[in-house]
Amino acid sequence: AQKVTQAQTEISVVEKEDVTLDCVYETRDTTYYLFWYKQPPSGELVFLIRRNSFDEQNEISGRYSWNFQKSTSSFNFTITASQVVDSAVYFCALSELLSGNTGKLIFGQGTTLQVKP
Amino acid sequence: DAGVTQSPTHLIKTRGQQVTLRCSPKSGHDTVSWYQQALGQGPQFIFQYYEEEERQRGNFPDRFSGHQFPNYSSELNVNALLLGDSALYLCASSLVGQTTYNEQFFGPGTRLTVL
Repeated sequence: AQKVTQAQTEISVVEKEDVTLDCVYETRDTTYYLFWYKQPPSGELVFLIRRNSFDEQNEISGRYSWNFQKSTSSFNFTITASQVVDSAVYFCALSELLSGNTGKLIFGQGTTLQVKP
Repeated sequence: DAGVTQSPTHLIKTRGQQVTLRCSPKSGHDTVSWYQQALGQGPQFIFQYYEEEERQRGNFPDRFSGHQFPNYSSELNVNALLLGDSALYLCASSLVGQTTYNEQFFGPGTRLTVL
């Protein structure tokens, strides 16, 4: 069964600290995509990063970086030098090709990040 | 370039009533998906519309129905409202054939409260 688990419910850090958000997924598909979305208080989900199941190369994009490991079914997301504006709820999501190629997203429960000044 | 828009922003209904939520996709997009996000939870897929037909449906009862118009805009209808239907309803748009790997663009949502 498809499932996304974000074990961290809430994280609080002080500005400029690095923070890593954990995500573990379950899928029976061999072709799938993983996403991270940010949801500020306004409610709109904002796309951050995407990774496909065939590319385990970890990358850095500005202050964001991610660690994708198929062996442990994990897709962790790191914010370097956090800022107060990073405070939001972060969602990890899974999209499987087997689900009809519709892009249906399966979301985790979300991690609330609070960055204090 | 307008993003995904939804209306209304907030809505208050009573149990047993019916509600219609509206969504206009991002310019150039032809596919609309609807998600329900209960308080403190992640969004859950309700259904997706393409070419005015329901393309895929999540685990939601028949009380939830939808429609897509020729201009790609969409409506979500919920009949016989229950208290548990109180949630943020999110609309996402995308291009068919690119939905699996492309990010879906989300609207700001409609906050539905059922009393």
